[in-house]
Amino acid sequence: GQNIDQPTEMTATEGAIVQINCTYQTSGFNGLFWYQQHAGEAPTFLSYNVLDGLEEKGRFSSFLSRSKGYSYLLLKELQMKDSASYLCAVNPGSYIPTFGRGTSLIVHP
Amino acid sequence: IAGITQAPTSQILAAGRRMTLRCTQDMRHNAMYWYRQDLGLGLRLIHYSNTAGTTGKGEVPDGYSVSRANTDDFPLTLASAVPSQTSVYFCASSDSGEDTDTQYFGPGTRLTVL
Repeated sequence: GQNIDQPTEMTATEGAIVQINCTYQTSGFNGLFWYQQHAGEAPTFLSYNVLDGLEEKGRFSSFLSRSKGYSYLLLKELQMKDSASYLCAVNPGSYIPTFGRGTSLIVHP
Repeated sequence: IAGITQAPTSQILAAGRRMTLRCTQDMRHNAMYWYRQDLGLGLRLIHYSNTAGTTGKGEVPDGYSVSRANTDDFPLTLASAVPSQTSVYFCASSDSGEDTDTQYFGPGTRLTVL
């Protein structure tokens, strides 16, 4: 079976740093996605981790530990526009990713 | 068009009616997917297609059917709509030849079944 867990909701202050965690237990693993979804819009791709370690892309970084079944998305210098849902998804190797339920991030001034 | 489009944007439908949600992509992606997204439940896969001419069932296929006659189009049909099918429906595509299989999503269809 596939199981992906992430917090339902998080709040943070503009300018701060926030870490959104994702743990997974899946029957296979080829990589882990993070998507961003603003309210009323479609999910958009943020990052894809295959190997252990941290990958940085501007203000966003994503970390993966395959042995621990764990990933996090790190958002720095938070802006109001970062208020969105963040979806963790695992690629089990079948071209069909499994999505977590998403973490709603609220950034306040 | 560029990317992936869906139609209609939104629809209110009487229970028992038949409805087809349309999805078209121009990226020549092999794989296409239909998801429904409900509050608190995240994205759930309804049906998918790895390549034209083939389809498969996802996590919540009951009450839905799909076809994949060509690479570009992947319509989703509700044969007899029920209120529990009220949801936001997202179509997505990916190039299954890529290592990442990154999915690209359409803008969504908001469906209300009364």
